[in-house]
Amino acid sequence: QSALTQPPSASGSPGQSVTISCTGSSSDVGGNDYVSWYQQYPGKAPKLMIYEVNKRPSGVPARFSGSRSGNTASLTVSGLQAEDEADYYCSAYAGSNRLFGGGTTLTVL
Amino acid sequence: EVQLVESGGGLVQPGGSLRLSCKASGFTFSSSWMTWVRQAPGKGLDWVATIKPDGSETYHVDSVRGRFTISRDNADSSLYLQMDSLRAEDTGIYYCVKGGANFASWGHGILVAVSS
Repeated sequence: QSALTQPPSASGSPGQSVTISCTGSSSDVGGNDYVSWYQQYPGKAPKLMIYEVNKRPSGVPARFSGSRSGNTASLTVSGLQAEDEADYYCSAYAGSNRLFGGGTTLTVL
Repeated sequence: EVQLVESGGGLVQPGGSLRLSCKASGFTFSSSWMTWVRQAPGKGLDWVATIKPDGSETYHVDSVRGRFTISRDNADSSLYLQMDSLRAEDTGIYYCVKGGANFASWGHGILVAVSS
């Protein structure tokens, strides 16, 4: 039950695009479509941003998009805004287990 | 509007027990997979346990299996986590979450502190 691998940090300037990766295995990220991404501000509960690899819940800006290639999923934030500065976590279904990545702190420069 | 309100947290000594509760509203609880997720202080998210809508199947992370038990009462729209033999490493904020693979809605969380 190893956690998924995310870079600890990412950054970009306002208006730029940034991509956060999430690497797992063929048993989780690469093995089914239940890959999701969460945004968390300090002291707050996480919020679902992307589900089933590339679907956006109602209310999530179109600037947020998800994709996958093999065993690596990615979250791309286009047109960075100051309010996007937060922690981001990926998650994947792995049979009887659910896995989270270690989290990536996104800094807007 | 989905609402998930946790209760039952607090300070407990190592080896002790706590029972977390989560009162759900704003959606059809009896049709929803439910999950507990925890977050140690300053750390990332960790999946703890998941339960099917009818309660017939449960899943627990290896580190809590045999010590924690997830359960539900669909008549009361409530989710529970019975935590026994608590350890210092169980300390953290525990979130009640709607969903079994996509975690669509989260409660505000409840703090569990295990310390002597």
